Amino acid sequence: KAGVTQTPRYLIKTRGQQVTLSCSPISGHRSVSWYQQTPGQGLQFLFEYFSETQRNKGNFPGRFSGRQFSNSRSEMNVSTLELGDSALYLCASSEGEAQYYNEQFFGPGTRLTVL
Amino acid sequence: AQKITQTQPGMFVQEKEAVTLDCTYDTSDPSYGLFWYKQPSSGEMIFLIYQGSYDQQNATEGRYSLNFQKARKSANLVISASQLGDSAMYFCAMRGNAGKSTFGDGTTLTVKP
Repeated sequence: KAGVTQTPRYLIKTRGQQVTLSCSPISGHRSVSWYQQTPGQGLQFLFEYFSETQRNKGNFPGRFSGRQFSNSRSEMNVSTLELGDSALYLCASSEGEAQYYNEQFFGPGTRLTVL
Repeated sequence: AQKITQTQPGMFVQEKEAVTLDCTYDTSDPSYGLFWYKQPSSGEMIFLIYQGSYDQQNATEGRYSLNFQKARKSANLVISASQLGDSAMYFCAMRGNAGKSTFGDGTTLTVKP
């Protein structure tokens, strides 16, 4: 099976712009989670989707949003970009709904740089 | 609230020796899962091993084993027979009943030839 794929792998934007990141989970996986990784804050949970519904949300401002499509692919959108949004954005998929026993498999990430 | 603490920012180990990476956790959930991931410089997070809170035996996956001590709330990763390719950042993570994952700050492991 193909792994989790994320596009684009690298992105450069300027402050105030918006950006959309895409994640395709492993075939058959219905849960997709998004994480932000920065040197200062580490890995932080953004949100999780299962069957097109947002099931969990982290402590991020409303500028961060996401959605999931019927084929389980997910997109994450960040509006009005700030310098502090520069980070590695990781997507992870799980077979079932987010439960403590479900392994997550991560994609290679999208490295976003905001200038 | 969940919390993961990894107290070792960096560790060095000689090739072919074993190394233990520390992880302590805190949660009020009765059921939870503990995970270890490896992140090479390329950035991708690689799943290594999982331990459920109700599992009686410590998890093992090849050269990786998880030393789970529930009463002490610790879930240390043991890598046996270290290889140069093991040099990477290692993250301990927890997932509770609600499904949210919390990660530690990571430990950078350097394997010396």
